[in-house]
Amino acid sequence: GENVEQHPSTLSVQEGDSAVIKCTYSDSASNYFPWYKQELGKRPQLIIDIRSNVGEKKDQRIAVTLNKTAKHFSLHITETQPEDSAVYFCAAGTTSGTYKYIFGTGTRLKVLA
Amino acid sequence: NAGVTQTPKFQVLKTGQSMTLQCAQDMNHEYMSWYRQDPGMGLRLIHYSVGAGITDQGEVPNGYNVSRSTTEDFPLRLLSAAPSQTSVYFCASSYSPTLASPLHFGNGTRLTVT
Repeated sequence: GENVEQHPSTLSVQEGDSAVIKCTYSDSASNYFPWYKQELGKRPQLIIDIRSNVGEKKDQRIAVTLNKTAKHFSLHITETQPEDSAVYFCAAGTTSGTYKYIFGTGTRLKVLA
Repeated sequence: NAGVTQTPKFQVLKTGQSMTLQCAQDMNHEYMSWYRQDPGMGLRLIHYSVGAGITDQGEVPNGYNVSRSTTEDFPLRLLSAAPSQTSVYFCASSYSPTLASPLHFGNGTRLTVT
């Protein structure tokens, strides 16, 4: 079945450094790739998304890249701040056929002040 | 708009009991879904619906039933609760299943089965 692998499971960076989280998906029909941030005890919230017809998207300190051939997509956070500390989830969605959003297992990011 | 509303926030059940987790959205979203979140396992899809009267199974459907009689509501039923169903449950909706649109999550229901 469909699967999304996410690495690393935990990531610690110094404040001001960059953080990169990587995901790989298995379903060739996947065409939508959102990223969510979840703070402790809260619901997941969308931070950025990318569609399969785009290779890269940037929003201030956050960027996402997509390599459809390799079925890889990555989240890049630059100039990290303590408030970036949270769990980040990638997901792969399909808009035809199965209409599923499958999530990765999450990355716990700690930004050390 | 209230967005996606889940009730209850917390629930404790004994093994074998049944219950329904409620989910309602006021955004006129076609697509609705249920996820469970367990430590280290991310968000796993239980069931989803692409519109009123249509439901389908996700990754972990066993032990759960859903129905979608209206666009707004998508209840999740546990028929006979088991300790393995202890988890945090999230309902999520999006505008359309055929358009690449983000999921909007409710605040979750924390369920404990003893």
